[in-house]
Amino acid sequence: EAGVVQSPRYKIIEKKQPVAFWCNPISGHNTLYWYLQNLGQGPELLIRYENEEAVDDSQLPKDRFSAERLKGVDSTLKIQPAELGDSAVYLCASSARAGNTIYFGEGSWLTVV
Amino acid sequence: AQSVTQPDIHITVSEGASLELRCNYSYGATPYLFWYVQSPGQGLQLLLKYFSGDTLVQGIKGFEAEFKRSQSSFNLRKPSVHWSDAAEYFCAVLETGANNLFFGTGTRLTVIP
Repeated sequence: EAGVVQSPRYKIIEKKQPVAFWCNPISGHNTLYWYLQNLGQGPELLIRYENEEAVDDSQLPKDRFSAERLKGVDSTLKIQPAELGDSAVYLCASSARAGNTIYFGEGSWLTVV
Repeated sequence: AQSVTQPDIHITVSEGASLELRCNYSYGATPYLFWYVQSPGQGLQLLLKYFSGDTLVQGIKGFEAEFKRSQSSFNLRKPSVHWSDAAEYFCAVLETGANNLFFGTGTRLTVIP
């Protein structure tokens, strides 16, 4: 069974440029998460989807970040415009349903210069 | 409020020595607890989890963890460390109502020959 797939794995962009990350969760997993991991820190939730619905986006900086999960499967996280402080790892994760184990992808490593 | 504390930022052990990584949590209800491992440039891999039942849980790669409710702890152990175990280790508690993982800040493990 394939795990959570993310792309791109690595991205270097100049500040003020846009960037987008894509995630394909484990097949059949209804819950999808985007986490932000700063250097030397544990991951922190940005947004959680239950199927197509964003049920928790309280930590998503909505002035520059946006996300979508069309058709309740794949998801895209976008940053526009990127700032130097956005350099981090963006982790996508999924679980079968609420209360189940959460599985992570390999992460998208962003460097903003 | 829920929180996870990993008191050791960095631990160095010799290959073949035993290992114990500490984790303390704060959570009002019965906790669902996890240990994840992150190798350099990689995402998070699930090592083991505790939901209920036997307080000593076995995981992959020879790791085990013991849940101690009286001490609010979920320490990770391995009897004999291998050089490939060098990585960052994260303890996490699942907030079941919000279906979100709260992570500690991680413990970096260095293994010396």
